[in-house]
Amino acid sequence: QFDLTQPASVSESPGQSITISCTGTSSDVGAYNYVSWYQQHPGKAPQLIIYDVTNRPSGVSDRFTGSKSDNTASLTISGLRAEDEADYYCSSYATGDTVIFGGGTKLTVL
Amino acid sequence: QLQLQESGPGLVKPSETLSLTCTVSAGSVRNNNLFWGWIRQPPGKGLEWIGSISYTGSTYYNPTINSRVSISRDTSKNQFSLKLTSVTAADTAVYYCARHTAMTRTDYWGQGTLVTVSS
Repeated sequence: QFDLTQPASVSESPGQSITISCTGTSSDVGAYNYVSWYQQHPGKAPQLIIYDVTNRPSGVSDRFTGSKSDNTASLTISGLRAEDEADYYCSSYATGDTVIFGGGTKLTVL
Repeated sequence: QLQLQESGPGLVKPSETLSLTCTVSAGSVRNNNLFWGWIRQPPGKGLEWIGSISYTGSTYYNPTINSRVSISRDTSKNQFSLKLTSVTAADTAVYYCARHTAMTRTDYWGQGTLVTVSS
């Protein structure tokens, strides 16, 4: 069981867009603009792709966008490519100086 | 480019203490506003934050395993370490050391090291 709720899997065709949700509470996602998203390919360490809800680190494609509404954050990937197939995790800073993760979403590019 | 490298035993017996060290290169564990932490991932499962230590040496732990965890640092060696006591099979995971910026994002990760708890 994880503190943030994500769909276990999503799938879409190349070139299309997809949105992954991440639902928390008023003590984490809803309380702070400190949601981050990570991409993890099999056998690799996660990589930061979105931080502070909407910001992209240098070098991350602008096909990745983040947003938030109330207690739910979202990651949208546009123009899907085969290399986007990976696991995606959301994370949030939470009350009490803690960090929490979602259970992860497996993205399949059909 | 900042690099983090985990080191430590890959096999730990049940009820014993898991000890890992992370060596930081091209960066300092004393740099302002930076936190250094441990995150684990059981095989085939999701990520779990274990805890972090700040640039001042303050520590922060996941409440669910707080009683078994200790994170410390050695500034002279630019390293930080994890100790997890009374381990069980449920502690089997890939353990990542990582850098957080202001505890709000994890922007650098080590490659991860698999620790198996088994007799």
